[in-house]
Amino acid sequence: DSGVTQTPKHLITATGQRVTLRCSPRSGDLSVYWYQQSLDQGLQFLIQYYNGEERAKGNILERFSAQQFPDLHSELNLSSLELGDSALYFCASSGEQGGTQYFGPGTRLTVL
Amino acid sequence: GESVGLHLPTLSVQEGDNSIINCAYSNSASDYFIWYKQESGKGPQFIIDIRSNMDKRQGQRVTVLLNKTVKHLSLQIAATQPGDSAVYFCAELGGLNDYKLSFGAGTTVTVRA
Repeated sequence: DSGVTQTPKHLITATGQRVTLRCSPRSGDLSVYWYQQSLDQGLQFLIQYYNGEERAKGNILERFSAQQFPDLHSELNLSSLELGDSALYFCASSGEQGGTQYFGPGTRLTVL
Repeated sequence: GESVGLHLPTLSVQEGDNSIINCAYSNSASDYFIWYKQESGKGPQFIIDIRSNMDKRQGQRVTVLLNKTVKHLSLQIAATQPGDSAVYFCAELGGLNDYKLSFGAGTTVTVRA
């Protein structure tokens, strides 16, 4: 158990819909990272927050957004969902920027 | 010359034997490398890490070797056990002010009884 929690574990929705994925980092970790894992693209970095502020962006679609709240939990919002958004979404946290990232169990999103 | 291990997408190993998983990284500025293990249906699990000022680091049954000259990383697992069956990823942190992990393609290790 990494100490990072993610909810929900599974999510099934339809094209065009909007969903919110939630992540709670390890106790005391200020940095939160979101990654997408699909069969054809592997693990891809989406976005990083540090103590509530966005710090880095990867290949994140404009339909996707995230935020980190004062209690340090983070949410990833995916809108106008397409079939190709079906993937595993992982959250990771680290105590410092550049430190070891510990991953949560992931949310499996299926878009029908 | 020095040989560089090829990255293989799959590796089948006999229980009790040693496993070697190879990874080539792309960014010569990367200064931190991590090996993760991912079991089916789970998130990547930290195994061992190494910074660029080292060339070898040992953990429990695992050793990571770093060759910066040829940008190559390897993970050695001693006395491989059935519980070691998983996908193994190497990941690199890009360097100064770059905190996102870039992952390799992964190697699926299957342990034969």
